[in-house]
Amino acid sequence: DAMVIQNPRYQVTQFGKPVTLSCSQTLNHNVMYWYQQKSSQAPKLLFHYYDKDFNNEADTPDNFQSRRPNTSFCFLDIRSPGLGDAAMYLCATSRAGGRTGELFFGEGSRLTVL
Amino acid sequence: AQSVTQLDSQVPVFEEAPVELRCNYSSSVSVYLFWYVQYPNQGLQLLLKYLSGSTLVKGINGFEAEFNKSQTSFHLRKPSVHISDTAEYFCAVSDRSRGAQKLVFGQGTRLTINP
Repeated sequence: DAMVIQNPRYQVTQFGKPVTLSCSQTLNHNVMYWYQQKSSQAPKLLFHYYDKDFNNEADTPDNFQSRRPNTSFCFLDIRSPGLGDAAMYLCATSRAGGRTGELFFGEGSRLTVL
Repeated sequence: AQSVTQLDSQVPVFEEAPVELRCNYSSSVSVYLFWYVQYPNQGLQLLLKYLSGSTLVKGINGFEAEFNKSQTSFHLRKPSVHISDTAEYFCAVSDRSRGAQKLVFGQGTRLTINP
């Protein structure tokens, strides 16, 4: 029944070693989002894809990149993780043009940087 | 720019007592309002939302919220809480876009239910 699936749920990496987090969805939504949530903080939007159009938030560091090869999948690449990038990364989807305004979230991927 | 303020970072409550989690927002445009719940090490689950119409919105798990435009508030309430309601609660706002819904979240309120 899971509609937004994130892998892996837990990722440990070393300082500076690239990491990729994945998100897949079965909802056929055309918008996919990546949020970063640090400990005891609110989720913060990094970027989103509207169909194939990539939309970066102004304050998202260049260290964070994303790919969306098709409607169902979206990846978050962290090129050189620092200690400050340790966080929960949340993927979400929505249907543009719909009237619900709702985002559907995955379970999250928790990143630890050693 | 939109912003959300959750007035309480932590709320301890005894089981079966009522609870209110407070949320105020600011925006120069009409908005959608949401409450999400997050259990430990999990994603966010929608509790309820206000899009238009009746200002009293009912959600899952017995929660409800009231939209007050004059006070720019969207407080969450439950008449009788259960141990399983222990979680982090986030209030969020987005503009009335037909495109991407870019949610802005409050800082969260940690609800702790004591037996």
